Amino acid sequence: GAGVSQSPRYKVAKRGQDVALRCDPISGHVSLFWYQQALGQGPEFLTYFQNEAQLDKSGLPSDRFFAERPEGSVSTLKIQRTQQEDSAVYLCASSLTQGFGNTIYFGEGSWLTVV
Amino acid sequence: AQTVTQSQPEMSVQEAETVTLSCTYDTSESDYYLFWYKQPPSRQMILVIRQEAYKQQNATENRFSVNFQKAAKSFSLKISDSQLGDAAMYFCAYRSSSNTGNQFYFGTGTSLTVIP
Repeated sequence: GAGVSQSPRYKVAKRGQDVALRCDPISGHVSLFWYQQALGQGPEFLTYFQNEAQLDKSGLPSDRFFAERPEGSVSTLKIQRTQQEDSAVYLCASSLTQGFGNTIYFGEGSWLTVV
Repeated sequence: AQTVTQSQPEMSVQEAETVTLSCTYDTSESDYYLFWYKQPPSRQMILVIRQEAYKQQNATENRFSVNFQKAAKSFSLKISDSQLGDAAMYFCAYRSSSNTGNQFYFGTGTSLTVIP
């Protein structure tokens, strides 16, 4: 597609529910990133994929967070047993290659509210 | 970890005037990349301008320019001839050129209001 697409755009989950957030990167983009943006804050790194390989997951806040990209394109971020502190916008981004100077393109995010 | 500081939570500018947004960062690395991203209410982060640390010349993109002071670790954004469409959150970001360069480090943002 023309840009990074994320779904759902809005999700309200009851505390304790599991949620899955989907990211469709720009076609052909090798690198894929997930970021978490709490209200009033800048985005914070969660995890990074190069093709299907998850090369860095150092930002995942707990073992309730899990991300995958099995075929090197679409990625899913799963949050198990959601807590109120998980309420945030989850941003996905992709770039053509892993070159550090490359521009990364962000999606519009998935807004998660845990009640 | 690197830190990025934006000390101005909010700024306002009259339409057609010039405004400067401040950003400082902390790093021990010599080679890295700096970015300014714009985030409208839709939440999509849009790249405004980027600067490679090894380049002494300040980057410019139309009405947007930066003042990069490497020794001072300062990276400010100047918006000239401000337009109503410039109103948004602006985030300064740092990216290492080392193996840890998978991560962007963002500041807390500056909310820019453009007054007609």
